[in-house]
Amino acid sequence: DGGITQSPKYLFRKEGQNVTLSCEQNLNHDAMYWYRQDPGQGLRLIYYSQIVNDFQKGDIAEGYSVSREKKESFPLTVTSAQKNPTAFYLCASRSPGLAGDTQYFGPGTRLTVL
Amino acid sequence: GNSVTQMEGPVTLSEEAFLTINCTYTATGYPSLFWYVQYPGEGLQLLLKATKADDKGSNKGFEATYRKETTSFHLEKGSVQVSDSAVYFCALSASGAGSYQLTFGKGTKLSVIP
Repeated sequence: DGGITQSPKYLFRKEGQNVTLSCEQNLNHDAMYWYRQDPGQGLRLIYYSQIVNDFQKGDIAEGYSVSREKKESFPLTVTSAQKNPTAFYLCASRSPGLAGDTQYFGPGTRLTVL
Repeated sequence: GNSVTQMEGPVTLSEEAFLTINCTYTATGYPSLFWYVQYPGEGLQLLLKATKADDKGSNKGFEATYRKETTSFHLEKGSVQVSDSAVYFCALSASGAGSYQLTFGKGTKLSVIP
């Protein structure tokens, strides 16, 4: 089945630790995105990548880092510099061609800082 | 900048009632408009979309019409079911620099009671 997978589903981190969230897609999409969701809020863009080896900051990139070494993979690292990292993190990829503005989402990772 | 405003919830309806969730937007140019649905603990699923003025998106009994003159994209369903209980997000896609970033409203939680 084609789709977007995120792992793990739940993640716990101690303060001061870096943690990496995985996002993989087998849809052959070029563009991928990371969003953060807080309770009662819409989604906010952290980083996006339109092509391998290239990525851009979104609205709330501080305290996060990404890499895009393969088309299928777009991992997000939440660093110790992120002041309030507890949130639900969603990865998305965007279809090319005529439906090129439609993003499809993974199931999400819930990160809790203890 | 771009923004999306949708009616605040929560909204509670009885089964078979009529649903309207209001959504208005501010954007430069001609954005595409989307409704996404999120079930508890899950990622976002695309519900419907419209790409130009007067387009009507529809799916699973839900409908929304792209109204450029009122900058609106209200979601409607004639008869809701318990299984429609979820959080609904209105969003727009702006193609600035080819990024197609999504701007989201804050979400409206719908509860349908038998």
